[in-house]
Amino acid sequence: GAVVSQHPSRVICKSGTSVKIECRSLDFQATTMFWYRQFPKQSLMLMATSNEGSKATYEQGVEKDKFLINHASLTLSTLTVTSAHPEDSSFYICSVGGRTGELFFGEGSRLTVL
Amino acid sequence: GENVEQHPSTLSVQEGDSAVIKCTYSDSASNYFPWYKQELGKRPQLIIDIRSNVGEKKDQRIAVTLNKTAKHFSLHITETQPEDSAVYFCAASGYSTLTFGKGTMLLVSP
Repeated sequence: GAVVSQHPSRVICKSGTSVKIECRSLDFQATTMFWYRQFPKQSLMLMATSNEGSKATYEQGVEKDKFLINHASLTLSTLTVTSAHPEDSSFYICSVGGRTGELFFGEGSRLTVL
Repeated sequence: GENVEQHPSTLSVQEGDSAVIKCTYSDSASNYFPWYKQELGKRPQLIIDIRSNVGEKKDQRIAVTLNKTAKHFSLHITETQPEDSAVYFCAASGYSTLTFGKGTMLLVSP
């Protein structure tokens, strides 16, 4: 399967600051990457689909101006949480789709906003 | 869109027993059904998947069954071991992205 690397694994920031999370596909050229958010003891909720060279597609209820996604190359997508607030604290996970539909996930990034 | 229901939310078994987790889906166009295992603080790992042209698939102690008519699929783990303890997610997809169930926390006691 695809090898997906995500960085940072943990980040703590002050309310009002912005945080950038990187997702790299190490062995697979990904025209599409997916960003999920997972609150404690809950399921994976798709936030947006990151498209290489074009705008991301956001799920209903996800603010595109708050969660900025950039997919500038076939191996890198970034998620920036702008003006973070405590309610944005969560586990953010990116994923890459395999050729036959399966998803391979990055390690995840745990964001804590103080 | 797709809606995936997963039961039970928690499951406690004794080591060596079998565990069964069930999921139903709503979109008859869905044709891919993976299962993921997620340990605390870790990424979800694909453990087995099944496609709509197959009714059952087995990989050592893990098996998945699919009933397309009833729109439900199940994960079966036999001879459970403490290291099987984790949260298990089912998912379904057709022509769009995966929709996940809410997860089942499996606890295997020694």
